[in-house]
Amino acid sequence: ETGVTQSPTHLIKTRGQQVTLRCSSQSGHNTVSWYQQALGQGPQFIFQYYREEENGRGNFPPRFSGLQFPNYSSELNVNALELDDSALYLCASSLDSVADTQYFGPGTRLTVL
Amino acid sequence: QKEVEQNSGPLSVPEGAIASLNCTYSDRGSQSFFWYRQYSGKSPELIMFIYSNGDKEDGRFTAQLNKASQYVSLLIRDSQPSDSATYLCAVKERSNDYKLSFGAGTTVTVRA
Repeated sequence: ETGVTQSPTHLIKTRGQQVTLRCSSQSGHNTVSWYQQALGQGPQFIFQYYREEENGRGNFPPRFSGLQFPNYSSELNVNALELDDSALYLCASSLDSVADTQYFGPGTRLTVL
Repeated sequence: QKEVEQNSGPLSVPEGAIASLNCTYSDRGSQSFFWYRQYSGKSPELIMFIYSNGDKEDGRFTAQLNKASQYVSLLIRDSQPSDSATYLCAVKERSNDYKLSFGAGTTVTVRA
């Protein structure tokens, strides 16, 4: 176990809806990165939050947004859900923004119908 | 061209054999290289990382890095059925040192 938790475990939404996914980082870690993993693919970087600020962003549209709180937990929000948003969403915690080792949470499986 | 490419697999090996996994990357400035193991329905788990050219051994696992060829590999010696999983190669680039770029993964099945 990495000490990184995510909620919920599974989620089913319909197209056009909005969703919020949550992540609690490992104790002592101030950086959270979010990844999307479609079936049969490797994780794709969405964005990273370091000390409550977005520190980098991958090739995802603005309807993917996030937050990091003072306790370094984080949320991923996705608006106007599309069928292609169905994936495993992974949160990874690291000691700081450039630390090499990222520890993954168990993930949230999102299904969009 | 994808940033990180892995042999597509699946790779089937008998128990006790060596499984060899390969990964190439496109950014010559990449500086850190990782192998993750992912069991079906689970999240990736870090197996090992390597920074310098050459070999790095950890138990039954050996990572090999050749920066000139932009190539990193993972050898699993004495493969066990519990090694059956998808293995993900990940690279951290110097210019984008906040993110990991992953390959699509290679699925390994160890036959008892």
